[in-house]
Formats: sequence, structure tokens, C-alpha cells
Amino acid sequence: GENVEQHPSTLSVQEGDSAVIKCTYSDSASNYFPWYKQELGKGPQLIIDIRSNVGEKKDQRIAVTLNKTAKHFSLHITETQPEDSAVYFCAASMYSGGYQKVTFGTGTKLQVIP
Amino acid sequence: DGGITQSPKYLFRKEGQNVTLSCEQNLNHDAMYWYRQDPGQGLRLIYYSQIVNDFQKGDIAEGYSVSREKKESFPLTVTSAQKNPTAFYLCASNVGTVTDTQYFGPGTRLTVL
Repeated sequence: GENVEQHPSTLSVQEGDSAVIKCTYSDSASNYFPWYKQELGKGPQLIIDIRSNVGEKKDQRIAVTLNKTAKHFSLHITETQPEDSAVYFCAASMYSGGYQKVTFGTGTKLQVIP
Repeated sequence: DGGITQSPKYLFRKEGQNVTLSCEQNLNHDAMYWYRQDPGQGLRLIYYSQIVNDFQKGDIAEGYSVSREKKESFPLTVTSAQKNPTAFYLCASNVGTVTDTQYFGPGTRLTVL
């Protein structure tokens, strides 16, 4: 089955700096890659996603890149702010066995230091 | 105001008891999912349902049961057979097509006393 590895597990940056979180996946059948932000005690919220026919996508301070050949994708947050502090999850998704199977990474706890 | 609601937010259970977690959505989504989240781990799929009156086991279904009598509702029962039920439980839904975002509810934290 699909395996998603996510690094680093924790990340501390100064306010205003950039943060990069990297994920790799194993199954080339995965074709949709969402990123979620989870604040303490809450459900994950989608922040950006990318489909396999696209190499890069940007939404204001957040960007995601996808390298299908190498099977890795990354989240980039620029000009970080304290409210960016949260746990971020990457995921790889495919349609398998009649349903959308989503495999999640283990999460990155981002701390933005004011 | 569309979205996914889960109740209760916190739930305490004594050993040997069954408990039911509620999940409701008004997004008109066909597919619904239950995940379990443990500290330092990714989300793991318990059960999913693509349509009313149909559901399938996910990766960690043992000790859990579900029903899907209505499109809007997908309750999860944690039975006494689940040996380590203390966790954060998340419900999600989506339209159910090939590449479609899953949207999550706020979660229920279950603690076994």
C-alpha cells in the first residue's frame, strides 16, 4: 500500500522567515496531494492541494511543489506569522477499491517565534 | 451554514462500555469517513461509506461499528472490544469522486477511565 513520509517532525522558525515541509510517497498511482493545518484540539483544515498534472501551485504565502518522478512534494510558507503555528499534515490520495484512499503523513509541528 | 459537526467534543467511557460518536454533515456529500488520530501519528481510517446503507472497513476497523441510514449521518460506535480506544476521532466527508478534498469535522476526544 501507499506510504507517506513527512519531515521534519518539528520545525521552529523566526517570524518572517520561511518554512519548508517535505513529504515523499511510494505509490505512483497517487494523483492528489492535499495539505492540512490542524490547530490544537480541532479538526484538520485544508490549506492547499495539488493534482498530479500540476508541478506547482501558489496561494498568497503558501505554495506547494510536486515532483512526480521523484515522488516527493513540499509545502512552502513564506513570511511566517505566529498564527501559522500548528501541526501540518501532507497526504497522498488515489482512487482504489471503489473509494478515495488517503494516506497521511505523521505531521510537522510548526512553531513561529515572534 | 454548511459543514460537518461532531458531538460530543469530549467523551469519557468506562472500560466495558460501548459509546457512540455522532457525525452530521449538511454539505450533501455522498461519502463519509471516520479516522482515528493518536499523538505523533497520521490519521488512520476506521470505516468509510460511499452511499447510504453501505459502508466498508478501513485499516483499523476492529472494535468499531458504524451505520449509514441517512445521507447526512454516519455515527461511530466504539465497542468494548476496542482494546485501546483513547484517541481523537475525526469524521470527514466529500463528494466521493476520484480526486476530491475530504473536509473534516472538529473531532471528538474519547478517554477511557
